[in-house]
Amino acid sequence: QKEVEQNSGPLSVPEGAIASLNCTYSDRGSQSFFWYRQYSGKSPELIMSIYSNGDKEDGRFTAQLNKASQYVSLLIRDSQPSDSATYLCAVKSNSGYALNFGKGTSLLVTP
Amino acid sequence: DGGITQSPKYLFRKEGQNVTLSCEQNLNHDAMYWYRQDPGQGLRLIYYSQIVNDFQKGDIAEGYSVSREKKESFPLTVTSAQKNPTAFYLCASSIQGLNSPLHFGNGTRLTVT
Repeated sequence: QKEVEQNSGPLSVPEGAIASLNCTYSDRGSQSFFWYRQYSGKSPELIMSIYSNGDKEDGRFTAQLNKASQYVSLLIRDSQPSDSATYLCAVKSNSGYALNFGKGTSLLVTP
Repeated sequence: DGGITQSPKYLFRKEGQNVTLSCEQNLNHDAMYWYRQDPGQGLRLIYYSQIVNDFQKGDIAEGYSVSREKKESFPLTVTSAQKNPTAFYLCASSIQGLNSPLHFGNGTRLTVT
């Protein structure tokens, strides 16, 4: 079974702070990594994708990947109340077609 | 605008009835997927299809069936054999390729009583 693990939270951060969301995965053959944001009652929307070790920045979001440690993270700088949502980590292996999802981390940004 | 349309948004059925959820995409994507989400849970894969007239079971295919007669359409039937059908059902599509993300429809919330 290919596992994707996330802390369920809730993770509470004050407005303007950095939110750090973490994800570990069990399949060493995993090649592609994605972060989705899901508001309550809505479908997931893609925020970031990362394929190589290191950091990838897009606006206030930074994804970090360490394949040796089987660890991927998402940093949200200058957190806003509108960032309050559940963040899903998703992983695709080089032998698979679909994405394996973690259970998500609930983020609450307080004004 | 291109996108994925799931209908209906809400669906109510009596136990023992089969029900079919619609998923249509105009993104010209080859691959389509069905996921199920329960409260507080991540997404679990039901079925996926990489090409027309071909599909594979995911992790929780029991009690579900699909068809892929057209590239644009991937309907999901929830049969009476599915023990706990009440859930949020998400359809997604993607282009072929290892680095391709999934794009999701707005979902169908099914309640079976």
